[in-house]
Amino acid sequence: AQKVTQAQTEISVVEKEDVTLDCVYETRDTTYYLFWYKQPPSGELVFLIRRNSFDEQNEISGRYSWNFQKSTSSFNFTITASQVVDSAVYFCALSEAYQAGTALIFGKGTTLSVSS
Amino acid sequence: NAGVTQTPKFQVLKTGQSMTLQCAQDMNHEYMSWYRQDPGMGLRLIHYSVGAGITDQGEVPNGYNVSRSTTEDFPLRLLSAAPSQTSVYFCASRNRGGNQPQHFGDGTRLSIL
Repeated sequence: AQKVTQAQTEISVVEKEDVTLDCVYETRDTTYYLFWYKQPPSGELVFLIRRNSFDEQNEISGRYSWNFQKSTSSFNFTITASQVVDSAVYFCALSEAYQAGTALIFGKGTTLSVSS
Repeated sequence: NAGVTQTPKFQVLKTGQSMTLQCAQDMNHEYMSWYRQDPGMGLRLIHYSVGAGITDQGEVPNGYNVSRSTTEDFPLRLLSAAPSQTSVYFCASRNRGGNQPQHFGDGTRLSIL
């Protein structure tokens, strides 16, 4: 069965520290898609990144980077030089190709608190 | 640039009351979904629709009804509100294709007394 696990419930760091948010997924499908969403204190859900199962290239966008490893079923998210504005709940999510008509399977989220 | 619009933003109900949470999108997306978010539980799928006239149940459908008469609208009905339905509700839509990101509304915070 499909499942997304974010083992870190809460992480607290001081500004400028690097932080990695872990995501481990389970799926029986060979084609699937992984996503990260950010939920700031204001409550909205903001799409950050999508990764296809057949593309294992890592990605960097500014201070954000993502490490996708099929061998360990992980899709980890690193924030470099964290800032107070990064404080939010971060969700990892999975979408399976054979269930393309359905929605995302979310992890329970990691709450990141960045203090100045 | 409306995207996905949810109304109301906040609502307080008494146990046993019924109500409809509205969701509308203007992106011509085929797929729409309703989620509920509870502390420590992430987002859980209630119902979803792959097109007008087609709906199906998600992970936690009990106590909720949906319909999809148009592409744009996907209302969620609480038949007889219970305190266990106190939650934040998110509506989402996306294009066809499992790799398409969900676009979320701003959420409805619902309290059942």
